[in-house]
Amino acid sequence: QQPVQSPQAVILREGEDAVINCSSSKALYSVHWYRQKHGEAPVFLMILLKGGEQKGHEKISASFNEKKQQSSLYLTASQLSYSGTYFCGTADSGGSNYKLTFGKGTLLTVNP
Amino acid sequence: EAQVTQNPRYLITVTGKKLTVTCSQNMNHEYMSWYRQDPGLGLRQIYYSMNVEVTDKGDVPEGYKVSRKEKRNFPLILESPSPNQTSLYFCASSFNNRRGPGQGYPDTQYFGPGTRLTVL
Repeated sequence: QQPVQSPQAVILREGEDAVINCSSSKALYSVHWYRQKHGEAPVFLMILLKGGEQKGHEKISASFNEKKQQSSLYLTASQLSYSGTYFCGTADSGGSNYKLTFGKGTLLTVNP
Repeated sequence: EAQVTQNPRYLITVTGKKLTVTCSQNMNHEYMSWYRQDPGLGLRQIYYSMNVEVTDKGDVPEGYKVSRKEKRNFPLILESPSPNQTSLYFCASSFNNRRGPGQGYPDTQYFGPGTRLTVL
């Protein structure tokens, strides 16, 4: 079952902040965040792991609440370049750490 | 240049005509994966491979086959394509990050440019 992302879409003005959420019905081992610009391939943003370890972009932060099976991506002081569709991918605890199930995406539009 | 390449980039075919989409990476990555992307459905994993000769099903494997005979190549085979396989396909690769026994995971995935497949 795909993780649920919210909101489905968000429109911001440059400099505003946004939070994108990713929620699963299963216990998670990891959460992977990617951004895809229109007509391009997805690009890596962050990985968050059970136990608190994370790696990714310096300018983007994220959290992983293992108990709630949720992750949030925080985009602060948004720039025009942040526009795109954001996907979270999850690997279930108890399943293969290598099998990733992605959400349907959150479309972020940043206007001048 | 480090990259993931896919061929063909665009393909229009007919129902039942076997086809192969190739994927190749030059980064010595162990992990490779195929995804399909459909409007409103996001990315869905078809198959993945943790290393040579090791493959496993993703969420939507029906109608697809894969093989991993060499580290750099991970072809996607549609033995008898049907119109519901019309989609945008992405191949991706990454290193396997190992935290400890049973604690590995795919690290940063690099995606290919995509293959737009239409099955009539």
